[in-house]
Parts: sequence; C-alpha cells; structure tokens
Amino acid sequence: SQTIHQWPATLVQPVGSPLSLECTVEGTSNPNLYWYRQAAGRGLQLLFYSVGIGQISSEVPQNLSASRPQDRQFILSSKKLLLSDSGFYLCAWRGGNIQYFGAGTRLSVL
Amino acid sequence: GEDVEQSLFLSVREGDSSVINCTYTDSSSTYLYWYKQEPGAGLQLLTYIFSNMDMKQDQRLTVLLNKKDKHLSLRIADTQTGDSAIYFCAESRQGTYKYIFGTGTRLKVLA
Repeated sequence: SQTIHQWPATLVQPVGSPLSLECTVEGTSNPNLYWYRQAAGRGLQLLFYSVGIGQISSEVPQNLSASRPQDRQFILSSKKLLLSDSGFYLCAWRGGNIQYFGAGTRLSVL
Repeated sequence: GEDVEQSLFLSVREGDSSVINCTYTDSSSTYLYWYKQEPGAGLQLLTYIFSNMDMKQDQRLTVLLNKKDKHLSLRIADTQTGDSAIYFCAESRQGTYKYIFGTGTRLKVLA
C-alpha cells in the first residue's frame, strides 16, 4: 500500500532563517506531487506541483521554492523565512484521480 | 474565476443530518471530492463523484451533484460528535494536474 510521510510535524523558526520541509511517498512510482499551504482558518493554496524528477510548476510568486531530487521525494525550501510564511504545509500525491495528503507541518515564523 | 465556494460554518445536533454545500465554477470538472480535516491533521478523502453521476451513497454519506447549477452537496446522516471537523470540497479539471479546493466548512456537532 502507498504511504506519504511529511516531517517535521511542527517547526518554529526565526525570521530570516532557512527552511527545508521534506515529503516522501512509498509504494508507488512517478507520482504527481503537490505542496499546499493552509493559513489559519483558511482554505488550501496550491504552492507547487511536480509531474516528475526535476519538473516543478510554481503556482504563486513567493519566498519559497520546491525541488524533486528523487522520484518519490519532494522538498519545500526557503532561503530566508518571512513572518507571512507561517502556516500549515501539506504535501500530497496523486494516485489515479485521487489526491492523498500527508499529516502536515505546522510552521511558525517568529 | 477559479473559486470553489462553501459556507464557513455549520452547527447541528447529534443525531440530526448535516448538509454541506459547495458551488464550483468549471463545467469541465471531471471529478468532485469531499475531504475531512480534523484539527492539526492532514486531509482525509471521504468520497468522490464522477461528473456524469448525479448521486453517490456510501454508508452515512450521500453526495448529490447538480451539474446544471454547478452545485455539490454532502449529506451526513445521523451526525456524531466525531464528525466535527472542517469539510473541503474540491474539483479536478480536465487536462490539468491541479485540484481546486473550496474554503472549507467547519462542522460543529452539539451533543
């Protein structure tokens, strides 16, 4: 069966520090992968998606970047965090017509 | 526009039925989904419906789709306190890899 892992679960970072969130999928190959952000009490904002290794599509201009160094690994990064980067970050993969989500990372930028 | 709209809040009594509504904008949507998000957790797929269907039932859940009005609803029968969560509708669009999510409806079940 397929599983998706996200870590860390919670992160508190100072403004201006770098960020690296990791997401891995097991039990499938060449999945479509997604990063979303959910601000407090809000819906989901699609940040990036990837249809293959090294292929990244960015949905919104921002302080973040994404990379896919391996087939089942998707990384969300920032060189310098802003206060506005705080939120709940969700990774997802697509199997057939369904998106399956990780447990999320709660990022607080102080 | 790309908006998928939902009402923000719904409160029901335990044992009653809940109906959560959603309107979407793209008539070419192929699949429509309902996800549940409990506090501090990721999104859990509840059910989905293909766009050529009008209704789908899965135990306590009933999904109704009105393509003419671009309206989707989720009915939860015999609502329990464990159903308290945020419910998101979402659509997938033909020819893209993207999913468009609604703003979420916070369901509160009163004992």
